[in-house]
Amino acid sequence: AQTVTQSQPEMSVQEAETVTLSCTYDTSESDYYLFWYKQPPSRQMILVIRQEAYKQQNATENRFSVNFQKAAKSFSLKISDSQLGDAAMYFCAYREKLTFGTGTRLTIIP
Amino acid sequence: GAVVSQHPSWVICKSGTSVKIECRSLDFQATTMFWYRQFPKQSLMLMATSNEGSKATYEQGVEKDKFLINHASLTLSTLTVTSAHPEDSSFYICSARPYDNEQFFGPGTRLTVL
Repeated sequence: AQTVTQSQPEMSVQEAETVTLSCTYDTSESDYYLFWYKQPPSRQMILVIRQEAYKQQNATENRFSVNFQKAAKSFSLKISDSQLGDAAMYFCAYREKLTFGTGTRLTIIP
Repeated sequence: GAVVSQHPSWVICKSGTSVKIECRSLDFQATTMFWYRQFPKQSLMLMATSNEGSKATYEQGVEKDKFLINHASLTLSTLTVTSAHPEDSSFYICSARPYDNEQFFGPGTRLTVL
């Protein structure tokens, strides 16, 4: 069974600074997708970014980028120029039948 | 973008009654929909995968007779919590997949069983 681990239950960052959220996973498969989702207080799940395992290039979406290390089974999310609207729970998830990590609550300090 | 709705957004019911939650894809067809459960301050746990026109696939530990799922059309899946009890109180979230590896989530339904 696949497992997803987020070791940082809470993180905080100064507005406009950069923060990195960690995620590791375990799988025996070679081709898969990884996702980062954001859940603000409204509880609506929002896709932040996704990575295809067969692509070596790290995915980037505006201020959000990932550091995907396939051999290490690591998939961290970097948020640059943090904004107040980035405050939320962030979940790392594996594949289309999503296995979610336990989440990281990100607080932005103005 | 793809929009998924859920109805109701919040429901309170008495213990022993049944509650139906609807999940609709508003601007796309979804052959597959997923139902998740989220307890306070916890992650989402997949309950079942719903495929249009066929029986749902339940995750281990999820009682199929308690959580009835029907995916009668390409835009609608329903989750019925039968004989609800206080321990079924939770936040239920659905998602719909129009194509591979992209899921769009509904806003969730908060169920409170008294």
